[in-house]
Amino acid sequence: DAEITQSPRHKITETGRQVTLACHQTWNHNNMFWYRQDLGHGLRLIHYSYGVQDTNKGEVSDGYSVSRSNTEDLPLTLESAASSQTSVYFCASSEGGLSYNEQFFGPGTRLTVL
Amino acid sequence: AQTVTQSQPEMSVQEAETVTLSCTYDTSESNYYLFWYKQPPSRQMILVIRQEAYKQQNATENRFSVNFQKAAKSFSLKISDSQLGDTAMYFCAFMEYGNKLVFGAGTILRVKS
Repeated sequence: DAEITQSPRHKITETGRQVTLACHQTWNHNNMFWYRQDLGHGLRLIHYSYGVQDTNKGEVSDGYSVSRSNTEDLPLTLESAASSQTSVYFCASSEGGLSYNEQFFGPGTRLTVL
Repeated sequence: AQTVTQSQPEMSVQEAETVTLSCTYDTSESNYYLFWYKQPPSRQMILVIRQEAYKQQNATENRFSVNFQKAAKSFSLKISDSQLGDTAMYFCAFMEYGNKLVFGAGTILRVKS
C-alpha cells in the first residue's frame, strides 16, 4: 500500500544545531507540503513543492529550507535550530496540480530544541 | 489571506448524543474546499469530511455531517451518536487554489461514557 513516512518520529536537539527531518511518500504525488503544529495555532504551512526542483515558501518559512530532488522525498532542514522551533512537524502529499486534491499526512515528528 | 476560526477550544459530549463543532472562515475566493480533520491521540491526521463551496448540498459521511452556510462563511460539523473513539482534536481547514490548506486552531472533543 502507498504511504507517507516521516523520520525520525522524535528528535531532541540543541539550539544552533542543523536538523533535517525526512519525508518520504510512495503515492507518486507531485505535491508535497510541510506543516508545523502548535497549540492555539493549528497547523501552519512552512514550505511546499509542486514537483521536482520546485519549492515555495509558506506562512512560517523563516529558519527553514527544503529541496526537492525527486518525486518521493521532501526533506525539511532547520539551518540553526531555535527553541521557538520546538513543535510537531507534519509532512503531507497530494496529487499534482493547483486544484483541490486531498492531502495525505504522515505520522508527524516531534522536535524539541533545548 | 484566508483565515479559519474555531471558537470552541474544548467540548464534551455524552456517548450516543449529538455534538456540533463550529467553524467560520474568511475568504474572497469564489471556489474552494472545506475540510474537517480528526487528530486522535496517535497524532495521525484523518480526513473526516469535505465540502466543495459550489455544492449547495451539505456533505454527509455516516455519522458525520456538515452545515455549510456559504453566505455566512460558516462550516460546522455535526457528530451523531457520539462514540468513545470520536475523542480527538478536530481541525477545520480551508483549501485555497494551489492545493494549500489553512487550518483553524482546533477543538478538543471528549466523549464521556
